[in-house]
Amino acid sequence: QVQLVESGGGLVKPGGSLRLSCAASGFTFSDYYMSWIRQPPGKGLEWVSHISSSSTYTNYADSVKGRFTISRDNAKNSLYLQMNSLRAEDTAVYYCSTSWRGTTSFDYWGQGTLVTVSS
Amino acid sequence: DIQMTQSPSSLSASVGDRVTITCQASQDISNYLNWYQQKPGKAPKLLIYDAYNLETGVPSRFSGSGSGTDFTFTISSLQPEDIATYYCQQYDNLPRTFGPGTKVDIK
Repeated sequence: QVQLVESGGGLVKPGGSLRLSCAASGFTFSDYYMSWIRQPPGKGLEWVSHISSSSTYTNYADSVKGRFTISRDNAKNSLYLQMNSLRAEDTAVYYCSTSWRGTTSFDYWGQGTLVTVSS
Repeated sequence: DIQMTQSPSSLSASVGDRVTITCQASQDISNYLNWYQQKPGKAPKLLIYDAYNLETGVPSRFSGSGSGTDFTFTISSLQPEDIATYYCQQYDNLPRTFGPGTKVDIK
């Protein structure tokens, strides 16, 4: 069965950096787009970024463009999100997700990892 | 960006009641809409894709309809396990955007 496990969250000061990871199993990771979606505490869902199966294509929300970088290592079945210049408004639970349908839906989700940006 | 709105923002209903949530897009998105259920402390779960298709394993009391800018999500007979927040999401354009959510609880 599909399993996605995020890690790397924690407390970081404004302006700092953090790298999130998502370990995937139960499917052929190298065949599928992967996405990051975040949810500030008590608030709604925001799509952050996605990456194509071979890393050829990446897209970002305007709110993170130029600060966050999505990447993947298909040999390690892993997805990453490098987050730089972090701001208080980046505080959220970050989920990785994938879908059999490319980028149209988010069929499978990890449990999420909490990133807190605070001094 | 395509803005998604939902109404109501919250509702209380009795077990067995029919529950309806509406979602409106700021522009025509054809049927490029999904619905998710999120229970407290859990990741969202896809329920409906392409506006009206039930995801595998999802109970048939859940349904979706609509196209263009106006969409409806229905629970035909509310069950205690349906207590959750429900989100719509469009995939007509990037960025993918979600509605603000509708919180459903039991009266």
